[in-house]
Amino acid sequence: DIQMTQSPSSLSASVGDRVTITCRASQSIDNYLNWYQQKSGKAPKLLIYAASSLQSGVPSRFSGSGSGTDFTLTISSLQPEDFATYYCQHSYSNPLAFGGGTRVEIK
Amino acid sequence: QVQLVQSGAEVKKPGASVKVSCKASGYTFTGYYMNWVRQAPGQGLEWMGRINPNSGGTDYAQRFQGRVTMTRDTSISTAYMELSRLTSDDTAVYYCAREVNYYGSGTYYNPLAYWGQGTLVAVSS
Repeated sequence: DIQMTQSPSSLSASVGDRVTITCRASQSIDNYLNWYQQKSGKAPKLLIYAASSLQSGVPSRFSGSGSGTDFTLTISSLQPEDFATYYCQHSYSNPLAFGGGTRVEIK
Repeated sequence: QVQLVQSGAEVKKPGASVKVSCKASGYTFTGYYMNWVRQAPGQGLEWMGRINPNSGGTDYAQRFQGRVTMTRDTSISTAYMELSRLTSDDTAVYYCAREVNYYGSGTYYNPLAYWGQGTLVAVSS
């Protein structure tokens, strides 16, 4: 099974900061990598699919990159509504798997 | 618009079973795989498996094999996830999540674009 490892597990940042979250797969997953945002008590929301494609309706300050085993999610200018937990997930093969999550907190 | 509405919270005793429903609307139910994902309190997301609503075919995560059953009723556009032999470790919010199909670079991508609101299952003696 493919394992997904995210780092950091949490970070503190200020409004306006550039934030980068990394995700590593235990083997190559090409670009079958998705990113989700989850706010407290809510279902996850799809942000990025196919490593770098922005889901419809998601602000352009979110971007994704990478292929193979190493991926990043970048928020170019952190907004108050972006404080949440972010998960990567591979869809290369079954079983699907999520990373452990990165909690983005207010500094 | 696509909507997934799940059944209400459940409290179960250890050893019991629970069946969670997910009623879909706003699209052709048989056209897209339905996944089930759970989240224990304060923990991350865990994929449990998925069902093809058209054929009824299923893929389960190994750790749930033998304990989980995913079914569907196409006449009412509803998917079900039943988990048996519950323990306290199964206390979690259970989500149904529908795939979408995006085509690009000669292949299909199937992220989970639509999610139910979640169903809390609490297991306690």
